[in-house]
Amino acid sequence: NAGVTQTPKFQVLKTGQSMTLQCAQDMNHNSMYWYRQDPGMGLRLIYYSASEGTTDKGEVPNGYNVSRLNKREFSLRLESAAPSQTSVYFCASRTGQYTEAFFGQGTRLTVV
Amino acid sequence: AQRVTQPEKLLSVFKGAPVELKCNYSYSGSPELFWYVQYSRQRLQLLLRHISRESIKGFTADLNKGETSFHLKKPFAQEEDSAMYYCALSGHDYKLSFGAGTTVTVRA
Repeated sequence: NAGVTQTPKFQVLKTGQSMTLQCAQDMNHNSMYWYRQDPGMGLRLIYYSASEGTTDKGEVPNGYNVSRLNKREFSLRLESAAPSQTSVYFCASRTGQYTEAFFGQGTRLTVV
Repeated sequence: AQRVTQPEKLLSVFKGAPVELKCNYSYSGSPELFWYVQYSRQRLQLLLRHISRESIKGFTADLNKGETSFHLKKPFAQEEDSAMYYCALSGHDYKLSFGAGTTVTVRA
């Protein structure tokens, strides 16, 4: 039982490049989330998907897009990476709005 | 809009001393409140949540709706409690918001 799996674990991009961060969960969870973690800023919500077929903006959505591919997978895309997007990105999933969230191991992204 | 505020970025206590991590929130409605912990080189994981009203690893948290607070407390800190702690709020729209986090260091 893998839980929440993120790929890749590390990535270095040049300014302007694009990439997609992948997230998959095998717990049959309905809701999925993308966060970024920055020193002193905590975890900030980028986008979330309450259920398959829906996505909503979080607190810091600018510069990102998401796709809820199916119930298991929720990807985060950076169309044109900027140095300000250097961060650690976490994916999470949970069953419902008041239940425990399970997190992936994180993706450390550096944009130079 | 929902918001979670953790006023302390860093907290240093001696082993055996009490520790309290503050969390205040704003939300128009009845949210569910959580505390998550991230130990070094480990994934973020749930420590406790309000609805369960349980004590985990000696930690407790009381929801004070009048003060909109959900402070985390432990009477006797242990070295293994050194970690980053996040307070989180979940509302009716499935959004899960976190505070800025508090890094706790327990000194021997």
